[in-house]
Amino acid sequence: GNSVTQMEGPVTLSEEAFLTINCTYTATGYPSLFWYVQYPGEGLQLLLKATKADDKGSNKGFEATYRKETTSFHLEKGSVQVSDSAVYFCALRSDRGSTLGRLYFGRGTQLTVWP
Amino acid sequence: GAVVSQHPSRVICKSGTSVKIECRSLDFQATTMFWYRQFPKQSLMLMATSNEGSKATYEQGVEKDKFLINHASLTLSTLTVTSAHPEDSSFYICSASREWERGEQYFGPGTRLTVT
Repeated sequence: GNSVTQMEGPVTLSEEAFLTINCTYTATGYPSLFWYVQYPGEGLQLLLKATKADDKGSNKGFEATYRKETTSFHLEKGSVQVSDSAVYFCALRSDRGSTLGRLYFGRGTQLTVWP
Repeated sequence: GAVVSQHPSRVICKSGTSVKIECRSLDFQATTMFWYRQFPKQSLMLMATSNEGSKATYEQGVEKDKFLINHASLTLSTLTVTSAHPEDSSFYICSASREWERGEQYFGPGTRLTVT
């Protein structure tokens, strides 16, 4: 089946620190992988995505590389800001069978950045 | 862009009453809309998928008669929580997609439902 496992938070960092949020997945086929961000009281916003192995998604200084050999899609940022404080969700989109098109989410990781 | 709105953003209702939540795609036609439920500090749980003009497909364990979904047009889907109880209190999020299967999902801002 399809599933996503994220490192549990919360993660607390000082401004300009390096961020890594681990994400691994289990899937049949060749899913697309996503990172979404959720600010307090809001819905989800797409942060970045990768659709095939070895693709790197990037946006706003965040990066993640689709690693098929390790079934991972870890999120990284070299220097976080206070405004990055939010909940981050890793997700995969199934590409086949009865679950085609469906998104599977990890549990989310709360990031808090202090000035 | 691809903007999805939800209304209301917050609603408080009494136990036993029904409440309707609207999800609209503002600048595109959504062939498919999804409804999710999010518990505090937890992930999103897909409740149902609806295609315009068709009956919604509910996930296992979601009560069809309790969570009524209507996708009457390419820009509007509604979720009605019938005979609400306190355990239905949650954050409900919809998303919309331009195309089924490989279409990206665009998420609404969510609706906080509190049942007293």
